[in-house]
Amino acid sequence: DQQVKQNSPSLSVQEGRISILNCDYTNSMFDYFLWYKKYPAEGPTFLISISSIKDKNEDGRFTVFLNKSAKHLSLHIVPSQPGDSAVYFCAASAKYNFNKFYFGSGTKLNVKP
Amino acid sequence: DSGVTQTPKHLITATGQRVTLRCSPRSGDLSVYWYQQSLDQGLQFLIQYYNGEERAKGNILERFSAQQFPDLHSELNLSSLELGDSALYFCASSGRLVGRGEKLFFGSGTQLSVL
Repeated sequence: DQQVKQNSPSLSVQEGRISILNCDYTNSMFDYFLWYKKYPAEGPTFLISISSIKDKNEDGRFTVFLNKSAKHLSLHIVPSQPGDSAVYFCAASAKYNFNKFYFGSGTKLNVKP
Repeated sequence: DSGVTQTPKHLITATGQRVTLRCSPRSGDLSVYWYQQSLDQGLQFLIQYYNGEERAKGNILERFSAQQFPDLHSELNLSSLELGDSALYFCASSGRLVGRGEKLFFGSGTQLSVL
């Protein structure tokens, strides 16, 4: 049972434009969300997180938006750069079991020069 | 470099065999997590250890087991291997019991191929 879903396996964006990666979840008890970036032959690396008490968190070119009523979060990258080309995973955890992080299947972002 | 070391990077074996994957966490981290990534799948949580004790369990098969040793390194043992066990296995570590604001640091993974 996939509790965190990334329905777009891939996304292609022109350099300098905005990249929007989406993530949906089904468990209403999730209250902490993260995005990870993964390059080939490397492990995922932490990018940005958001707690359910907020609806937006910003870090440089990366912004995560959380819509709790829709159980949806998105990652915006502005402006997109070729070095952002990677697979992006969203992850979630619940306060009743915050040792377990549920990951989506990932979205492969390609930023074209 | 995340500071998490996984060995070996690649492993090719046959069905029915047993293998051991090894993970050394970041210096000072007490928690170790194991994840499995199959083709086109997300990262499936297998198991977590904290300071030598099992803390959380995910969809880990009975043929799989893990442990964390006094020096905090961890091993994931996979036995009676099947073709479907072919996957990328990641280890991750964190500083303490993962709480709010904590994040995981991942190793580069072990690619297991069962032929």
